[in-house]
Amino acid sequence: QVVLTQSPSASASLGGSVKLTCTLSSGHTNYAIAWHQQQAEKGPRFLMKLNSDGTHIKGDGIPDRFSGSSSGAERYLTISSLQSEDEADYYCQTWGTGILFGGGTKLTVL
Amino acid sequence: DAQLVESGGGLVQPGRSLRLSCAASGFIFNDYAVHWVRQVPGKGLEWVSGMSWDGSLIGYGDSVKGRFTISRDNAKRSLFLQMNSLRPEDTALYYCAKDTFGSGFQYMDVWGTGTTVTVSS
Repeated sequence: QVVLTQSPSASASLGGSVKLTCTLSSGHTNYAIAWHQQQAEKGPRFLMKLNSDGTHIKGDGIPDRFSGSSSGAERYLTISSLQSEDEADYYCQTWGTGILFGGGTKLTVL
Repeated sequence: DAQLVESGGGLVQPGRSLRLSCAASGFIFNDYAVHWVRQVPGKGLEWVSGMSWDGSLIGYGDSVKGRFTISRDNAKRSLFLQMNSLRPEDTALYYCAKDTFGSGFQYMDVWGTGTTVTVSS
């Protein structure tokens, strides 16, 4: 059974950039994932699907400031030119016999 | 625009039942798998159940197997979750979500705003 691991928290400065990480468990390093954003008091929002080769498909209306990349078991979400509205929880998600989520990373924009 | 709207949440006593509904619009509902995902306040996302476009594939999270039943009515563009033998730990915000795939499960690209279920005596 695949497991997704995320750091509980991250912080970065307004206007800066941040790279969030989602780590796939051993034996599942070729899995694609999806990234979802959840702002406070809102439902989740799909950001992108990210493949093991780093190619990604973004959701409708997702700004170019959001990008994805991959390296081995790591799946990254990079947000540049950080804005206050980027402060949110970010979840990675994958699939097998069911749907699995990482624990989420709470991003604080300083 | 694709939209999902959940309803049916509320306060219910432990051991009782509740049925959630999700109304879809803005996309061809019967082309896609759909899911229920829940979130305990202050905690992360937990997959509850999913169903393929035609109902031939159904899956449940371990914590709800044998108690919850997912169903859909493609003619009415609706998804349902029958929740029986409810427990206090089922208290959560329940989201409906559309998959990008039809005959299996991959990832969600449309989410609802959720309906709150509170299980308490």
